Amino acid sequence: EAQVTQNPRYLITVTGKKLTVTCSQNMNHEYMSWYRQDPGLGLRQIYYSMNVEATDKGDVPEGYKVSRKEKRNFPLILESPSPNQTSLYFCASSLVAWDTQYFGPGTRLTVL
Amino acid sequence: SQQGEEDPQALSIQEGENATMNCSYKTSINNLQWYRQNSGRGLVHLILIRSNEREKHSGRLRVTLDTSKKSSSLLITASRAADTASYFCATVSNTGNQFYFGTGTSLTVIP
Repeated sequence: EAQVTQNPRYLITVTGKKLTVTCSQNMNHEYMSWYRQDPGLGLRQIYYSMNVEATDKGDVPEGYKVSRKEKRNFPLILESPSPNQTSLYFCASSLVAWDTQYFGPGTRLTVL
Repeated sequence: SQQGEEDPQALSIQEGENATMNCSYKTSINNLQWYRQNSGRGLVHLILIRSNEREKHSGRLRVTLDTSKKSSSLLITASRAADTASYFCATVSNTGNQFYFGTGTSLTVIP
């Protein structure tokens, strides 16, 4: 089944404790992206990747890191999480950058 | 920010009525896409309209695009209770590879 998976689905952590949210797709898509969703603000793009070893900043990259060492995986790293990073995070992929995006189920992160 | 805006923020209609939501954006685009989100879940793609298209249909969905006004509308005809969800427009800039989502319209269809 074609899908985008994210783990974990729910995470409660404390300020400053490094964490990684994994994202994997099985559709051989070139383009992958991370978004955060906050009430009243819609979805905002954090980082995107055009292909392996090609990543770039989106609208709200501060406090986040990403890597794309393999085509299927695009982890989101929070090196020192802060409470303002409490949000619902979505990973998405598409065949090419301007195409239909397929979304993962979301990761709800709470930083205390 | 180049994020778009949607109007109205919330819409409540009776089953069988039509629902129209609008999206305005700020930059030149490659295409505009509409997505649906059921409460707290991942977004699902509905329809894509390219910058050189003016109207597109898919089942009960009709999308229009006016690039001169930088706006789009999504019409859902003969709505059903199962259409209750949030709807987002997303634009892909023709100068880059970023997606910009609108703030969303929350649609409630009352049985």
